[in-house]
Amino acid sequence: GESVGLHLPTLSVQEGDNSIINCAYSNSASDYFIWYKQESGKGPQFIIDIRSNMDKRQGQRVTVLLNKTVKHLSLQIAATQPGDSAVYFCAESPAYNAGNMLTFGGGTRLMVKP
Amino acid sequence: GAGVSQTPSNKVTEKGKYVELRCDPISGHTALYWYRQSLGQGPEFLIYFQGTGAADDSGLPNDRFFAVRPEGSVSTLKIQRTERGDSAVYLCASSLNRGWTGELFFGEGSRLTVL
Repeated sequence: GESVGLHLPTLSVQEGDNSIINCAYSNSASDYFIWYKQESGKGPQFIIDIRSNMDKRQGQRVTVLLNKTVKHLSLQIAATQPGDSAVYFCAESPAYNAGNMLTFGGGTRLMVKP
Repeated sequence: GAGVSQTPSNKVTEKGKYVELRCDPISGHTALYWYRQSLGQGPEFLIYFQGTGAADDSGLPNDRFFAVRPEGSVSTLKIQRTERGDSAVYLCASSLNRGWTGELFFGEGSRLTVL
C-alpha cells in the first residue's frame, strides 16, 4: 500500500512520555466519534470511540476526550511506545447506528523517539 | 485469511483505461464500505453496501465510478475512463452489521496510479 501522511502535522515524543493528539471536527450534529491508527502501507485500525453523550472514555493506555462546546476531540496515549508511531485520524458520524459514512479528519503523524 | 483482502495491491494504468478493484470482506460481515484516500489525507467515503444492495452511494464522485456486490460478499469497484485525479489508495472495510459504526475492519488498500 501507499505511504500516507507525507504532508501531515507531526507530533514527536520521547518513548515513555504521554502523547496528546488533537482534532477539531466540523459537524455540530455529529453523534459519534472514532479514533483510528494507520501504519504505513496498511488500512486504518480502530482504537477507541465515544458517543456525544459522554465527554471521556478510557481504553488500554488510551483516553478520548470530547468537548462538544468547541467541537474538539483529543486522543491521549499513555507511556508512548515505538509501536505507537503511525498516523492518527479522528472520524465523526452523524449517529451511532449510521453504519455508513464516516467523515475523517486530516490526520496527525506521531513519531516516537527511542 | 482472517482480514479484509483487497486485490490488486498496486495497479498502474493509463488515462482513459478501465480498472476493477476487488474486495473480499471478513466472512459473515454483512456491511461493506469503499473509501478513497489521497496522499496526506484521511479516507473519504465512497459507497456502503448492506448485503447485496448499495445502501448509500452518495460518496461516488461521478458516474465513472460504480461498485457491485452481487452475492453479498465480494465487492468490485469499477472505474471507467480513468483520469489522473483518480490516483489514490482505495480502501475497503467491512463490519458485522449496520449498528457498530466504529468497528470497521479495513483492508490494506489498492493503490491506483493513473499515468
